[in-house]
Amino acid sequence: GQQLNQSPQSMFIQEGEDVSMNCTSSSIFNTWLWYKQDPGEGPVLLIALYKAGELTSNGRLTAQFGITRKDSFLNISASIPSDVGIYFCAGNPYGGSQGNLIFGKGTKLSVKP
Amino acid sequence: EAGVAQSPRYKIIEKRQSVAFWCNPISGHATLYWYQQILGQGPKLLIQFQNNGVVDDSQLPKDRFSAERLKGVDSTLKIQPAKLEDSAVYLCASSLWVTEAFFGQGTRLTVV
Repeated sequence: GQQLNQSPQSMFIQEGEDVSMNCTSSSIFNTWLWYKQDPGEGPVLLIALYKAGELTSNGRLTAQFGITRKDSFLNISASIPSDVGIYFCAGNPYGGSQGNLIFGKGTKLSVKP
Repeated sequence: EAGVAQSPRYKIIEKRQSVAFWCNPISGHATLYWYQQILGQGPKLLIQFQNNGVVDDSQLPKDRFSAERLKGVDSTLKIQPAKLEDSAVYLCASSLWVTEAFFGQGTRLTVV
């Protein structure tokens, strides 16, 4: 089945640093979404991308839909302690049923205060 | 705006028993999803409803899992009989636009 490769799996950073994580696939996706999940909670939508090359920001978060439609990245600028959590990329594969989101395995972000 | 409501939050059952989860989506959201999230992994779609019709249930283990969405609003997901490998968090999500899914807090199921 289709898979999303998300990297890195985990990262530790100093407060104030910028963070970058990405998601790749061997097949084309129509839509890329980025979610954050805190312990004991459901994923919360951060950014949605709908067009190849699209660059979208949400506060300190910036995400891009790769021009090949096979990848996406998420950047967090000036990280703060509340950025801790697991970040998931998710995509709607080309040719799949609308709404069928494939999720990556997540990037666990830990911030040293 | 109220979010997606799920109950119960936690459930512990013995293998071969049955269990049911309930979900109330965001008001006005026609699309409802059930996802399974195993520890350390991303959510995996089990079933997608559009109003009260099934759009995609290709990954639902139909020999033991069933789901319904009566009247196109609330939904229930049932497992009967449960296996040890069904231990996971079951997430319900809903959306107005097909791909922007909003998730509930989930039900953590432990099968012993």
